[in-house]
Amino acid sequence: AQSVTQLDSQVPVFEEAPVELRCNYSSSVSVYLFWYVQYPNQGLQLLLKYLSGSTLVKGINGFEAEFNKSQTSFHLRKPSVHISDTAEYFCAVTLKAAGNKLTFGGGTRVLVKP
Amino acid sequence: GAGVSQSPRYKVAKRGQDVALRCDPISGHVSLFWYQQALGQGPEFLTYFQNEAQLDKSGLPSDRFFAERPEGSVSTLKIQRTQQEDSAVYLCASSHSTADYEQYFGPGTRLTVT
Repeated sequence: AQSVTQLDSQVPVFEEAPVELRCNYSSSVSVYLFWYVQYPNQGLQLLLKYLSGSTLVKGINGFEAEFNKSQTSFHLRKPSVHISDTAEYFCAVTLKAAGNKLTFGGGTRVLVKP
Repeated sequence: GAGVSQSPRYKVAKRGQDVALRCDPISGHVSLFWYQQALGQGPEFLTYFQNEAQLDKSGLPSDRFFAERPEGSVSTLKIQRTQQEDSAVYLCASSHSTADYEQYFGPGTRLTVT
């Protein structure tokens, strides 16, 4: 079975500063990787995904992530955050198979301070 | 276009009551998933439908949980004899096909069992 670890439960950051959210996964087979964002009282919105190809993936709202197979990591980065980026961020994996249920990490709460 | 919708958005139930949570997926989406998100945690998989067939129910925590999708569109998650530990946000997600790994999430139903 696969599992996902998000090493930081909370990340405070000042506006216009860079942020990195760490995600490590474990799986005995190949997986696809995702980052979702959840704003208060809302569902999950996909930020970006890695299925194949370039290991540097660009997503919406200026976010990007890099897949590192040897370190089994998929860290999310943004070079300059805005107040509106305050939210909870979830890393998730799925097996390359039908019935592709997602396995999520515990989430990282990002609080952007002015 | 219309996204995934869920109703009710909030539900308070007394312990021992039965509840039914509804999910309207995006029209034409073949795959439908239910997840449970406890407070402060990442979503956890409950069950998966491909059209009307329930292909995976390995995440349902007990036989008090039951899900159906009789016509391959709307789905209902039913919880019988609710317990306090059932308090959580229940998220529904759909995807266009079994080869599409992007899941679109609804806003969730927050269930509080008193």
